[in-house]
Amino acid sequence: QKEVEQDPGPLSVPEGAIVSLNCTYSNSAFQYFMWYRQYSRKGPELLMYTYSSGNKEDGRFTAQVDKSSKYISLFIRDSQPSDSATYLCAMSASGGYQKVTFGTGTKLQVIP
Amino acid sequence: EAGVTQFPSHSVIEKGQTVTLRCDPISGHDNLYWYRRVMGKEIKFLLHFVKESKQDESGMPNNRFLAERTGGTYSTLKVQPAELEDSGVYFCASSLPGATFEKLFFGSGTQLSVL
Repeated sequence: QKEVEQDPGPLSVPEGAIVSLNCTYSNSAFQYFMWYRQYSRKGPELLMYTYSSGNKEDGRFTAQVDKSSKYISLFIRDSQPSDSATYLCAMSASGGYQKVTFGTGTKLQVIP
Repeated sequence: EAGVTQFPSHSVIEKGQTVTLRCDPISGHDNLYWYRRVMGKEIKFLLHFVKESKQDESGMPNNRFLAERTGGTYSTLKVQPAELEDSGVYFCASSLPGATFEKLFFGSGTQLSVL
């Protein structure tokens, strides 16, 4: 069993829709939960991170972590064509040492 | 400010050949990481340098892989001899030490194809 499970998609939504991306994990040691965005032929770029359980909002993006269920989510409001990318969930036990475990990524397409 | 730079962007070699990948981290970033994505799989950790010292190489697949970081600046990852299963995208990332959460900055990767 993988430590992090993520639906690969692809996910196709119309512009303006709310997008929900999710991951589950099995390792209780994970304390930092991250979402990366990766455009084609580019490296992953950190969108946001959350420490332990709770919610975090940054503009149109909201990250949620439920450690009791080992479930994390990323919500994108008012999705834009420029949001079309692969979204990777990622986790680590430490914030200061980034030995990160990634999900396989969900490919998102926002249709104008 | 320049980001993390990786060379080459693509490399196509034959099985049994040697390939060397290079990573130039962001200036001042003591932490340097190598990750790899094999087709269809998730990005996986290979190893971690702090300056010129290897801190954790637990993700290195086998002894055909050799990573170095000269003088704590750029890093190279050599694969010798390359096998078919080594094909994938090799990412380098760097970060500043000392923060509670160290943000990783990734390069665009080197696409390695072993034929």
